[in-house]
Amino acid sequence: QSALTQPASVSGSPGQSITISCTGSSSDVGGYNHVSWYQQHPGKVPKLMIYDVIKRPSGVSTRFSGSKSDNTASLTISALQAEDEADYYCSSYRRGDTLVFGGGTKLTVL
Amino acid sequence: EAQLLESGGGLVQPGGSLRLSCAASGFTFSSSAMSWVRQAPGKGLEWVSNIEISRGRTYYADTVKGRFTISSDTSRNTLYLQMSSLRAEDTAVYYCAKDIIVIDALDMWGQGTMVTVSA
Repeated sequence: QSALTQPASVSGSPGQSITISCTGSSSDVGGYNHVSWYQQHPGKVPKLMIYDVIKRPSGVSTRFSGSKSDNTASLTISALQAEDEADYYCSSYRRGDTLVFGGGTKLTVL
Repeated sequence: EAQLLESGGGLVQPGGSLRLSCAASGFTFSSSAMSWVRQAPGKGLEWVSNIEISRGRTYYADTVKGRFTISSDTSRNTLYLQMSSLRAEDTAVYYCAKDIIVIDALDMWGQGTMVTVSA
């Protein structure tokens, strides 16, 4: 089960916007609107930030938004803050009733 | 407050078995879908298994199919993961998590329990 493809790292300065991509195939990202994004700070538990491509759970900042085009989903963080520095993982339902994660992206706030 | 609390991790020899537990509280466990997700040291997240508790339907990653069994006890509000034929590559922190809907987003996570497979 190959993972979804994410960039290993991205960076941005406070106040800027960044986008993290998550590329799969028509069997997962492109075929279903069940893409989620998780934030994980070092030594901490993952936190759901976006689900079903564009939905935000209660309590998640509106600075976080999701989108999808063809086989690639994206997470955009606007007005970057120091506290956003963390690892980010995408996930998607995959045909055959499995869930697949991306390899993770380390966000550095400069 | 809703929470998940895992237990049962530890050191086990290759080929051995271990059972993980996840005690759930603060939500309707019997009508939920629950997952196990693992994270090897310094690595990313890997989905392991899912169960639709009310229907008893189970799902597994290919890497654990035939070796791991997910189950639940609604009288104890507890999720289990029975692991057998353990390999070094099964070494990881194992998280239990609650699905928003089956095999979709995971909106609540436990603190995790460490499993180390080593001679």
